Amino acid sequence: DAGVTQSPTHLIKTRGQQVTLRCSPKSGHDTVSWYQQALGQGPQFIFQYYEEEERQRGNFPDRFSGHQFPNYSSELNVNALLLGDSALYLCASSFGGKGDTQYFGPGTRLTVL
Amino acid sequence: QKEVEQNSGPLSVPEGAIASLNCTYSDRGSQSFFWYRQYSGKSPELIMFIYSNGDKEDGRFTAQLNKASQYVSLLIRDSQPSDSATYLCAVAISNFGNEKLTFGTGTRLTIIP
Repeated sequence: DAGVTQSPTHLIKTRGQQVTLRCSPKSGHDTVSWYQQALGQGPQFIFQYYEEEERQRGNFPDRFSGHQFPNYSSELNVNALLLGDSALYLCASSFGGKGDTQYFGPGTRLTVL
Repeated sequence: QKEVEQNSGPLSVPEGAIASLNCTYSDRGSQSFFWYRQYSGKSPELIMFIYSNGDKEDGRFTAQLNKASQYVSLLIRDSQPSDSATYLCAVAISNFGNEKLTFGTGTRLTIIP
């Protein structure tokens, strides 16, 4: 049973660039949520996708956008990168259009220089 | 006031003893409560979830929920060095069925051999 997968594992970008992170949910799951975890902090909710639509969004600027594909996989895009965007980006999947009982992928470590 | 509060620790517990981790939350409408374990450099791993007042046991772990006091705790019996990690408390604050998880900053637990 495949768990949540994310790519890439690590990424280094410079300020002003754009980045795309990818996530494949756990087998049987149809809902994907994205979180940002800064060093020493708990994960912060970015947004959640279900049925290819953004269902809910946290307090993140429009530079953060996403997409969900028909196979339930998802992308997170961040434009005009800032130094403060350096963090671990976590994808979590769940089932049935609900955000509870979420299982996390290994994360993508983004460093912005 | 933070939505979910945890003592950041570090909490040091001798091997074989009981480790007690605490969490308080501010939103009385919170429906679901989760404990995640996060090893350094890794992603959060779901340990337990609890929805109803009282205790829920799973092996060496017991989650306790008191909605009147807005308090949730995790007890780890017979603590092992492998239990050394950061423990994240998360709360699902339902919003028309689109539940996002709101996390505390985590408690760092160290088990002393």
